This record gives sequence, structure tokens and C-alpha cells, in this order.
Amino acid sequence: EAGVAQSPRYKIIEKRQSVAFWCNPISGHATLYWYQQILGQGPKLLIQFQNNGVVDDSQLPKDRFSAERLKGVDSTLKIQPAKLEDSAVYLCASSPRQGADWNEQFFGPGTRLTVL
Amino acid sequence: QKEVEQDPGPLSVPEGAIVSLNCTYSNSAFQYFMWYRQYSRKGPELLMYTYSSGNKEDGRFTAQVDKSSKYISLFIRDSQPSDSATYLCAMIVGQGAQKLVFGQGTRLTINP
Repeated sequence: EAGVAQSPRYKIIEKRQSVAFWCNPISGHATLYWYQQILGQGPKLLIQFQNNGVVDDSQLPKDRFSAERLKGVDSTLKIQPAKLEDSAVYLCASSPRQGADWNEQFFGPGTRLTVL
Repeated sequence: QKEVEQDPGPLSVPEGAIVSLNCTYSNSAFQYFMWYRQYSRKGPELLMYTYSSGNKEDGRFTAQVDKSSKYISLFIRDSQPSDSATYLCAMIVGQGAQKLVFGQGTRLTINP
């Protein structure tokens, strides 16, 4: 079974520029998550999708971050404009379904963003 | 105060030692407790999960939950250099809510 795919793996941009990350979840997984992991910290949930609907985006800085999940499969996360403090690893995860008390989340390798 | 507290280390032990990793939490609503392992430049991978208090063993790994003290632990027996990684504790409320709340992670090095 193929895992969660993310691209690009690395990105370097200057502050105030825009950037987009792409995620392809495990086939058939209904739920998709984007996490931000700042160096030396644990991942923090930015947004959770169930199919193509948003379940939780309470920690997404909506003035600069946006995300969508096209046709309930792939997802993109965009930052516009980027700030220095956005430097982090952006992790995508997917899980089989929602509704059960707990589902294992499978993580991709992440996109490492550096904002100069 | 953070919902989940974890000592970031770093922790360095010799091969074969028993390793103890710990987290404390403040939200009594947490019901599911996980340990993830994260190798450098990789995503986290699930090691173990437990529900409610008690111990759960899987090979060289034992997860322990004490809900009354809001304290969870991961023990690694006969540690190997391949166990060198960052270990993250994580928790969810459950009841359909799937938002994982992670600790800071402990960076562990096993020296041959």
C-alpha cells in the first residue's frame, strides 16, 4: 500500500512570497490533515478535512493560510504572504474514516519550508 | 500551560539500556494515548496506542497510562541504535474527534 505523498520535499522562499504544498493521501482514506511542525516542537494541527469538507480549521491562520481538498482526494495548502515564523515542516496525514472513536493517522514525509 | 508536556531531552543512553520516556497532560477528557517515532527528515509513525489506564506491551516496547496522575510513559527494553529518533506522545479526546495533540518530542540517541 502506497503511503501519503507530499511535494515538494523542500522549499526556500523569501518573506512576503507565496508558496503551495501538495498532498496525496492513501487511497480510500476519507480524512486528511495538515500539521505544522516547527523545529524542536511537536506537530500542530492546522486543518482537518472529511472528504472535501472542512471539519476543523480553528488553528489555521486564515489571513495568510488557505487549504482545499479537490474532489475529496488530493489537497493543497497555500501560504500567502509568507512570514519568517512560517518556517517549519508541513506534514500531511490521512486516516481511513471518521465516526469511530479513534483512527490511526498515517503521515507523509513532510515539506520543509524555509522563509528568508 | 500546554495541554501536553514532554521533556525535549536530548537523551543519550548506551545500547542495551532501558529507556523511559514520559509525558504529562492537563486535559482530563483525553481518552486515547499514542506514541509516535519520528526519524530525521521523516514523518511520524505510530508505535503504540492505548485506551484508558494500564500497561500495553509490544515486543521491546511498553506503554503505560496513569489517568489519575495524568501521566503516560513509554519504556524501551534492550535499546538498539536503530531506536535513535524523536519520540512524540500524542492524545485525543476521542468520541469522533480526531485532533491529535502532541507533546514537544524527546530526542533519543542510543550509543553502540
